[in-house]
Amino acid sequence: DTGVSQDPRHKITKRGQNVTFRCDPISEHNRLYWYRQTLGQGPEFLTYFQNEAQLEKSRLLSDRFSAERPKGSFSTLEIQRTEQGDSAMYLCASSFSDRGLAGANVLTFGAGSRLTVL
Amino acid sequence: QQPVQSPQAVILREGEDAVINCSSSKALYSVHWYRQKHGEAPVFLMILLKGGEQKGHEKISASFNEKKQQSSLYLTASQLSYSGTYFCGSGNAGGTSYGKLTFGQGTILTVHP
Repeated sequence: DTGVSQDPRHKITKRGQNVTFRCDPISEHNRLYWYRQTLGQGPEFLTYFQNEAQLEKSRLLSDRFSAERPKGSFSTLEIQRTEQGDSAMYLCASSFSDRGLAGANVLTFGAGSRLTVL
Repeated sequence: QQPVQSPQAVILREGEDAVINCSSSKALYSVHWYRQKHGEAPVFLMILLKGGEQKGHEKISASFNEKKQQSSLYLTASQLSYSGTYFCGSGNAGGTSYGKLTFGQGTILTVHP
């Protein structure tokens, strides 16, 4: 297994355009998370899935953001009508969650997709 | 709510020790520590689940005081490879947020020769 893969690694777009990021998690992981990170800050939670179900979405996330994980494997994060404030690193992470095993929920992060909105 | 880390930055010489603190205004169920090098993904260091628990990984160890809602990361005899930004993440106890981590703002550690 090659870990968590994200594509593209870098995306430069003009304000108002739509962008989509893809994340391929570790194959045996059932949970997938999207985080956003800006310079000098810790990762900020956006949303997460258990298998194909989206269990939580940050209240800070506007309706321009949508995420899917159609078959419980890869996930996409789409940002519509991008704004300059959307410029950030978008991190995907995956984990295997088993509530019977306390502490099993260790996140493995991908290298991220850096978005620059001009 | 986001955990608060202190200090914001630490500069060390090789071989020196450092402590990074993480505190929360909410009850902590678990604390996760990650290290991120510039331009790379955060990498898991360790997880602490029980109050008063201490864990170690080579010369990096951590403690978790559930009552004080605090965790500390101890780096002893620092090496150049320890340089990076350290994040603590607080884990939730239950409900649909189980397993979700809320990260602190990070502590930048720089080790010089």
